[in-house]
Amino acid sequence: GAGVSQTPSNKVTEKGKYVELRCDPISGHTALYWYRQSLGQGPEFLIYFQGTGAADDSGLPNDRFFAVRPEGSVSTLKIQRTERGDSAVYLCASSPRLAKYNEQFFGPGTRLTVL
Amino acid sequence: AQSVTQPDIHITVSEGASLELRCNYSYGATPYLFWYVQSPGQGLQLLLKYFSGDTLVQGIKGFEAEFKRSQSSFNLRKPSVHWSDAAEYFCAVGADGNKLVFGAGTILRVKS
Repeated sequence: GAGVSQTPSNKVTEKGKYVELRCDPISGHTALYWYRQSLGQGPEFLIYFQGTGAADDSGLPNDRFFAVRPEGSVSTLKIQRTERGDSAVYLCASSPRLAKYNEQFFGPGTRLTVL
Repeated sequence: AQSVTQPDIHITVSEGASLELRCNYSYGATPYLFWYVQSPGQGLQLLLKYFSGDTLVQGIKGFEAEFKRSQSSFNLRKPSVHWSDAAEYFCAVGADGNKLVFGAGTILRVKS
């Protein structure tokens, strides 16, 4: 079956612009996670959803970052007033349900470059 | 706070040689431990995981890992490396709230 998909695969924007990154999880997966991977680093947790609600958004770096999952499936990560330091690969993962025993299935990521 | 250390940024091994990638974690309770592999342009793929029970766990692609509580380690091993194993490997611990905390990764290069 189809895996986690993320669009766009690459996004180049200018400092100060607004961007949206989209994640389509595996069908039927209720848990969805966003991570950010900076160059030379491992992924860092941003936020996760169980269904439509954000169960933990403690990893969002500041209030310029926001994520939604209005129908409990597709999620959008929104970044306002982008800064050069936001440049990274943004990874999305989904899981059948919210439990530590469940594997998180990762998408290929969106590479964001802020000029 | 939970943390993961992968001491080796790069490792080069010859094809057919054995491999060990090191991982040390910091976590107060019984950890949930994972190894993921990331190839260029690909998403992270789970190799194996440890939750409880037998401390030697088997994974996909011939990989295994051993949990050693006394050393806070979860090292990844493979007896004979193939050129297709060249990739970046990440160790992770399942932290509070189901998030994963990752190490910085180890890049594996395989010499033919």
